[in-house]
Amino acid sequence: EAAVTQSPRNKVAVTGGKVTLSCNQTNNHNNMYWYRQDTGHGLRLIHYSYGAGSTEKGDIPDGYKASRPSQENFSLILELATPSQTSVYFCASGDLQNYAEQFFGPGTRLTVL
Amino acid sequence: GDQVKQSPSALSLQEGTNSALRCNFSIATTTVQWFLQNPRGSLMNLFYLVPGTKENGRLKSTFNSKESYSTLHIRDAQLEDSGTYFCAAVRVNTGNYKYVFGAGTRLKVIA
Repeated sequence: EAAVTQSPRNKVAVTGGKVTLSCNQTNNHNNMYWYRQDTGHGLRLIHYSYGAGSTEKGDIPDGYKASRPSQENFSLILELATPSQTSVYFCASGDLQNYAEQFFGPGTRLTVL
Repeated sequence: GDQVKQSPSALSLQEGTNSALRCNFSIATTTVQWFLQNPRGSLMNLFYLVPGTKENGRLKSTFNSKESYSTLHIRDAQLEDSGTYFCAAVRVNTGNYKYVFGAGTRLKVIA
């Protein structure tokens, strides 16, 4: 079974609307990450978390919030979505004790109109 | 500038041939991961490396931390090897493990 799942897999939102992307992992990893992927940029880190209750800013956090209510769940929140946030979003989990190897979910394609 | 630079950016290989992809790092890093993103968009883990070499079937990867590069060798390329290969380096920063990704190498294997 997939150890990192994301929902929804596809989302169309309107400018100014609120969008929540969800991620669940069954790896029992401490760390979780949100990335976005745009053509020509590879993956860029938005927010990450060390465990339940913790969120940290990544390299491109502006316009995004994150929430880690439990070990298994990590959400990415766009309070006021903009067309520039149209992208593919990936969630990952990783365990400090396993040399930080990361395992990715299948991605969420978000289109903001 | 690019902290993780991948080369080439795109590559076309004849089935059955060999090639090497490269990542150069301008950040201090202790570990490297290689991924293959398949045409459907899924990211598959290929290798996780501390300095040294790992091999898995037709793939072999080396990470040289002293010279700040990593390579991924593909032997006897097959059609299913097509996709985009990403390397990612752990940016050494006190207390956390943050990855920086390269922009990827798009590989097309042709019959």
